[in-house]
Amino acid sequence: ETGVTQTPRHLVMGMTNKKSLKCEQHLGHNAMYWYKQSAKKPLELMFVYNFKEQTENNSVPSRFSPECPNSSHLFLHLHTLQPEDSALYLCASSQDAAKTGELFFGEGSRLTVL
Amino acid sequence: RKEVEQDPGPFNVPEGATVAFNCTYSNSASQSFFWYRQDCRKEPKLLMSVYSSGNEDGRFTAQLNRASQYISLLIRDSKLSDSATYLCVVNTASRLTFGEGTQLTVNP
Repeated sequence: ETGVTQTPRHLVMGMTNKKSLKCEQHLGHNAMYWYKQSAKKPLELMFVYNFKEQTENNSVPSRFSPECPNSSHLFLHLHTLQPEDSALYLCASSQDAAKTGELFFGEGSRLTVL
Repeated sequence: RKEVEQDPGPFNVPEGATVAFNCTYSNSASQSFFWYRQDCRKEPKLLMSVYSSGNEDGRFTAQLNRASQYISLLIRDSKLSDSATYLCVVNTASRLTFGEGTQLTVNP
């Protein structure tokens, strides 16, 4: 069983839909992250949460809204997305965002926006 | 200039070959460095950290040259299972920046 689980694994949505991606980590880590991975592009950091507090928003459009109710759970709420938002969304965790070392990734949620 | 730049690849090598990947980074204040591996349609996983003195893990050797802002990964006696995309990752002020990755295919 992976230490970081993401659901759903695949999601197809229209531009007017509202959906959410969920991430749960079972590693006792204090930092959680959302990354976006598009074809032929490097991983892009979107958000960082450390001890449930958002510490970084990498100029992400407001149609992406993160939520971190506790150190083990992270959500990404999606609303009125664009086709160019289609990508693999990866959740990751680490012991502490201030001591960034090894990131543990989930398997990702592959999003297609029609 | 990109923050982290890797060999574009792809690399296609026969089993048993030695292959080397290069990576450069732009910020001289970067503090720590890593190689991650990402299999096709899977998540990235840490392969190894890169230390100034160089470090080895079995068939894998990582080198860091701070003066040239250059990182390398050497794979000896490559196996079919080494086929993956190798990501160079640089930590600057607790922020990890990923390279685009270099794809490796090891052929029988």
